[in-house]
Amino acid sequence: DFQMTQSPSYVSASVGDRVTITCRPSRGLSAWLAWYQQKPGSAPKLLIYGASTLQSGVPSRFSGSGSVTSFTLTISSLQPEDFATYYCQQSNNFPPQFTFGPGTRVDLK
Amino acid sequence: QIQLVQSGGEVKKPGASVKVSCRASGYTFANYGLAWVRQAPGQGLEWMGWINVYDGNTKYAQSIQGRLTMTTDTSTDTAYMELRSLTSDDTAVYYCARVQAYSGSFFPDYWGQGTLVTVSS
Repeated sequence: DFQMTQSPSYVSASVGDRVTITCRPSRGLSAWLAWYQQKPGSAPKLLIYGASTLQSGVPSRFSGSGSVTSFTLTISSLQPEDFATYYCQQSNNFPPQFTFGPGTRVDLK
Repeated sequence: QIQLVQSGGEVKKPGASVKVSCRASGYTFANYGLAWVRQAPGQGLEWMGWINVYDGNTKYAQSIQGRLTMTTDTSTDTAYMELRSLTSDDTAVYYCARVQAYSGSFFPDYWGQGTLVTVSS
């Protein structure tokens, strides 16, 4: 079964900190990956697709990198509105099946 | 602007079925696929299935196949997700999401607001 792992599962950080989240697929399915931010009571919001392309309107302090076996989401300077849970996601080829990582919760220290 | 508006919350008894709707606006409905994703209380995101709005082709998650039917009505730009034989494990927020394609990969880019389905006797 194809799975995604995320590390860490929990981050305690302060405003202004640099935060890095890693996502690793159980096998090298694709060079591409998406990242989502979800706040309590709200739908997920797309941050990054294609591993490193910022979705329109997303602040530039968010960035993505990596390929195939390991991907990274970086928040360069954490802002109060960034405290949330972050998920990575990949799909296989057509017809698509989607797999989400288990999530990384970013909390205020 | 692009919007996906879902139907309201539902309370169902075990063994019943639920049908959730998702009305799209702000884009050409038939040009994109739609995914359904659910989230149990306090848990992560679970992909349920995908539908090609243009031709109705579907792909369902193996864990839920047999109980799930996804359909669309292009005359009203509305998608439907029906889940049968409900158990308490199906209690979750259900999301529809437009699916975007990028270099052979697929990802949801716009999401509905979610519909809480509660299964309880």
